[in-house]
Amino acid sequence: RKEVEQDPGPFNVPEGATVAFNCTYSNSASQSFFWYRQDCRKEPKLLMSVYSSGNEDGRFTAQLNRASQYISLLIRDSKLSDSATYLCVVNGGGSGGSYIPTFGRGTSLIVHP
Amino acid sequence: EAGVTQFPSHSVIEKGQTVTLRCDPISGHDNLYWYRRVMGKEIKFLLHFVKESKQDESGMPNNRFLAERTGGTYSTLKVQPAELEDSGVYFCASSWGLALFFGPGTRLTVL
Repeated sequence: RKEVEQDPGPFNVPEGATVAFNCTYSNSASQSFFWYRQDCRKEPKLLMSVYSSGNEDGRFTAQLNRASQYISLLIRDSKLSDSATYLCVVNGGGSGGSYIPTFGRGTSLIVHP
Repeated sequence: EAGVTQFPSHSVIEKGQTVTLRCDPISGHDNLYWYRRVMGKEIKFLLHFVKESKQDESGMPNNRFLAERTGGTYSTLKVQPAELEDSGVYFCASSWGLALFFGPGTRLTVL
């Protein structure tokens, strides 16, 4: 089983749609969780941290389910500019108890007019 | 505030040659990471410095890769000799807390 697993997509949605991504992680001792956004041929940029109680930032909502070992990202009212790859990052997602930030493969989102 | 910078942005070399990548982290960030993304795969961890010390180098593929961080400031990653499978984008990231700030990456092509 991969350490951090994401559905690669692509998710192809119209403007204004609501879309949700999930990410599962294998290390139950993982401590912190993030979503990053990566545009084509650019570096990853932090989108938001994911807190145990769930958190919201504008149109974006992140949630953590420790029991099932997954995190989610919900994007409401999708914009064309949301088109990107969304990377799930888990600190402590590595094998052997490592606390190195471990990346999922990313989920591609395409928002069309 | 200046972000993480990396040099060069692109490098094309032949198999067997040597390449050195450089990363300048955000000033004051003690943590420095190297990651690599091979086409079609996830971003993979290479190693982690805390100041000038290697904290974790479990992701380094083999002994052809050598990383240093002089005085806890900038870092270099040398590949010698380069092989075809070393091609990819090498990202450097720095942090003072948990969230990472990435540089723009170095795209390495080994022919």
